[in-house]
Amino acid sequence: AQSVAQPEDQVNVAEGNPLTVKCTYSVSGNPYLFWYVQYPNRGLQFLLKYITGDNLVKGSYGFEAEFNKSQTSFHLKKPSALVSDSALYFCAVSPPFSGGYNKLIFGAGTRLAVHP
Amino acid sequence: GAVVSQHPSRVICKSGTSVKIECRSLDFQATTMFWYRQFPKQSLMLMATSNEGSKATYEQGVEKDKFLINHASLTLSTLTVTSAHPEDSSFYICSAAEDRGQSYEQYFGPGTRLTVT
Repeated sequence: AQSVAQPEDQVNVAEGNPLTVKCTYSVSGNPYLFWYVQYPNRGLQFLLKYITGDNLVKGSYGFEAEFNKSQTSFHLKKPSALVSDSALYFCAVSPPFSGGYNKLIFGAGTRLAVHP
Repeated sequence: GAVVSQHPSRVICKSGTSVKIECRSLDFQATTMFWYRQFPKQSLMLMATSNEGSKATYEQGVEKDKFLINHASLTLSTLTVTSAHPEDSSFYICSAAEDRGQSYEQYFGPGTRLTVT
């Protein structure tokens, strides 16, 4: 079965320190990969995506993610965390051949808490 | 650009009544819209895929007669929860895929919190 795993329910990091939010996936073929962020009682905001090309993808708000095909991972990173980055982060994959505007399979989400 | 709105943002209804939620793409045309349901502290669960001018495609386990979806135009999709019950209380989120070739991105609405009493 196709799935996305975010192994950490919560990640705690001090402001100014680097952060990593982990994501691995189990999808056959070459899926498209996404990261979204959700603030309380809000919809999801797009952060970045990997479709093809360079394995390191840069996105909004200083975030980046690295695609690792051999490890089937797409970890989200930021060199220096801000308190305002505190939110719920979702990794999502879109399996190949699932349609022109592909369905998204979401991970369970990881809550990022950045403390001053 | 690529803004998606939902209305209402919050609704409380009595058990047995029906509720309609609107999803609009404000500055782009969306051939395809998606409806998700999110339970507290859980991930988004895709309920159905809505294509303009055709019937929605429902995910396994989602009752199409209970969750009626209409996608009458390239900028509007509606989800109607019929004969709502307390277990239908949830956060409903729509998304829209921009009709611009293979953009692959879905733009999400702010969500609608439904409470059935």
